[in-house]
Amino acid sequence: AQKVTQAQTEISVVEKEDVTLDCVYETRDTTYYLFWYKQPPSGELVFLIRRNSFDEQNEISGRYSWNFQKSTSSFNFTITASQVVDSAVYFCALTEGAGNQFYFGTGTSLTVIP
Amino acid sequence: GAGVSQTPSNKVTEKGKYVELRCDPISGHTALYWYRQSLGQGPEFLIYFQGTGAADDSGLPNDRFFAVRPEGSVSTLKIQRTERGDSAVYLCASSLDRFTGYTFGSGTRLTVV
Repeated sequence: AQKVTQAQTEISVVEKEDVTLDCVYETRDTTYYLFWYKQPPSGELVFLIRRNSFDEQNEISGRYSWNFQKSTSSFNFTITASQVVDSAVYFCALTEGAGNQFYFGTGTSLTVIP
Repeated sequence: GAGVSQTPSNKVTEKGKYVELRCDPISGHTALYWYRQSLGQGPEFLIYFQGTGAADDSGLPNDRFFAVRPEGSVSTLKIQRTERGDSAVYLCASSLDRFTGYTFGSGTRLTVV
């Protein structure tokens, strides 16, 4: 079973629109970590955020914000006032407390149209 | 260096040949990971090193794949008798420990023809 599901394969928005990328995860561990990574066309995965399972406080960093809800096993990512430079593939990932590996979703390709 | 360096950036090889992919992690990062990313997919875990030892190699698909990290720094992923299905981007990442965010390299795009 897929541990991380990103149901949105591709999203296109017009510049300055807000956009939310969905992420649903599945784990039986009580201790786990959730991540978001950005993969621009250059291919390198860029770390955006890490949250642990005990901290449900939402986080805002500039135009980026994250909504972590354990009740729905979701860790959604919102970009406010999108810009062309935000165009990339975004991956949500999970690592479980006892494990060593990341489980990545299949990614959401975001295109911001000028 | 400042980031994780992977060489070569591109590798084209013939089916059946042997290839080596190199990863230079960030200095001081004891944890090193190899992932494989196929087109349109998220990265899939291959192997994790803590120091010189392979702490978890459960993601290696078969015995044609092997990785080493003899001095706890540079790592080499080795693929024997390559098959067309091995074509993918191979990503290396390092971190201070397994709880912090990884820093990924730009990957090696392997094409087996």
